[in-house]
Amino acid sequence: QKEVEQDPGPLSVPEGAIVSLNCTYSNSAFQYFMWYRQYSRKGPELLMYTYSSGNKEDGRFTAQVDKSSKYISLFIRDSQPSDSATYLCAMLGSNYKLTFGKGTLLTVNP
Amino acid sequence: NAGVMQNPRHLVRRRGQEARLRCSPMKGHSHVYWYRQLPEEGLKFMVYLQKENIIDESGMPKERFSAEFPKEGPSILRIQQVVRGDSAAYFCASSPGGLENIQYFGAGTRLSVL
Repeated sequence: QKEVEQDPGPLSVPEGAIVSLNCTYSNSAFQYFMWYRQYSRKGPELLMYTYSSGNKEDGRFTAQVDKSSKYISLFIRDSQPSDSATYLCAMLGSNYKLTFGKGTLLTVNP
Repeated sequence: NAGVMQNPRHLVRRRGQEARLRCSPMKGHSHVYWYRQLPEEGLKFMVYLQKENIIDESGMPKERFSAEFPKEGPSILRIQQVVRGDSAAYFCASSPGGLENIQYFGAGTRLSVL
């Protein structure tokens, strides 16, 4: 079983839709949960990070963590064509190594 | 307020040549990490360095790969005698250290081995 599982998609939605991106993990030692956005041929850009279970909101983005189920989500409201990118979940344990999902390719169609 | 700077952005090498990838961390960050992204795969940890120290190189291939972060200047990832399988995007990240060791990434170096 991989430490982090992420559906690679691709996911295609119309502009204005609510997008839900998800990851599951198996390592209980993970403490921080991140979402990065990566545009084609660019570096990963940190969107949000959370420490505890629950929700964290930043503008149109909401990160959700459920440690009991080992499940994290990123919701994007009112999606825009500029949101089209690959979204990477990443986890950080007591060490310093980020463990990434493979990424979900999202396309928001105008 | 520059972010993590990597150069070159693109590097082409023939088999057997050496590749040197450079990374300057964000201002105020003293921790540097290198990750590799192979086609159709996720980012994989390679090495973690602080100034003049390699903290963890457990993700580095045992041969041909080395990394350093000298007292002065950027961190260097060095690949000797490159092979086609080394073709990938190499990303550097930096963090300030401390309890919330959140890592910020550079734009990456895309290495192509002919």
